[in-house]
Amino acid sequence: AQSVTQPDIHITVSEGASLELRCNYSYGATPYLFWYVQSPGQGLQLLLKYFSGDTLVQGIKGFEAEFKRSQSSFNLRKPSVHWSDAAEYFCAVGIYNQGGKLIFGQGTELSVKP
Amino acid sequence: ETGVTQTPRHLVMGMTNKKSLKCEQHLGHNAMYWYKQSAKKPLELMFVYSLEERVENNSVPSRFSPECPNSSHLFLHLHTLQPEDSALYLCASSQGPYNEQFFGPGTRLTVL
Repeated sequence: AQSVTQPDIHITVSEGASLELRCNYSYGATPYLFWYVQSPGQGLQLLLKYFSGDTLVQGIKGFEAEFKRSQSSFNLRKPSVHWSDAAEYFCAVGIYNQGGKLIFGQGTELSVKP
Repeated sequence: ETGVTQTPRHLVMGMTNKKSLKCEQHLGHNAMYWYKQSAKKPLELMFVYSLEERVENNSVPSRFSPECPNSSHLFLHLHTLQPEDSALYLCASSQGPYNEQFFGPGTRLTVL
């Protein structure tokens, strides 16, 4: 069965430090991939997406992610974290031929220390 | 209004009540989705509508009944819910099934 794993439930980083959030998926073919962010009491906002082509994708708010087929991973990175980045981050995998179904990871909660 | 809107934002209901959640998308999309977000669990896809036809019903109990009268509106009718149905219900839309989904702010549902 397809699955998405975000191994880190909660991460704390200092403001200005770099960030990497991990995402691994289990699926036989190449999926399409997303990272979303959710602030408390809000819906999900798309940070970036990968469908094909360049495996390093740039998103909003200075985030980027790299698709590594050999590792079935799509890790999210940011070189310098801002206090406003504190939120919950979700990796999602889309499966072709399944009518737009997205499978979400459990989420990683990011806290930022001043 | 822009994006995806959901009403009400908060709802408290008893187990015997009947209520409806409303979602409206202002993006011209042709696919709409209902998700359930419970604490400490991944988002669960409940229903998918593409071109106003239901294409996915993810083993959701019959006490949840979706309705999509047109491509801009999606409803979730609720009746005889259980306390474990308390969650954040998110609506999303996309242009076609294989594009990014845009989410509304959600309805926080509490079942007493």
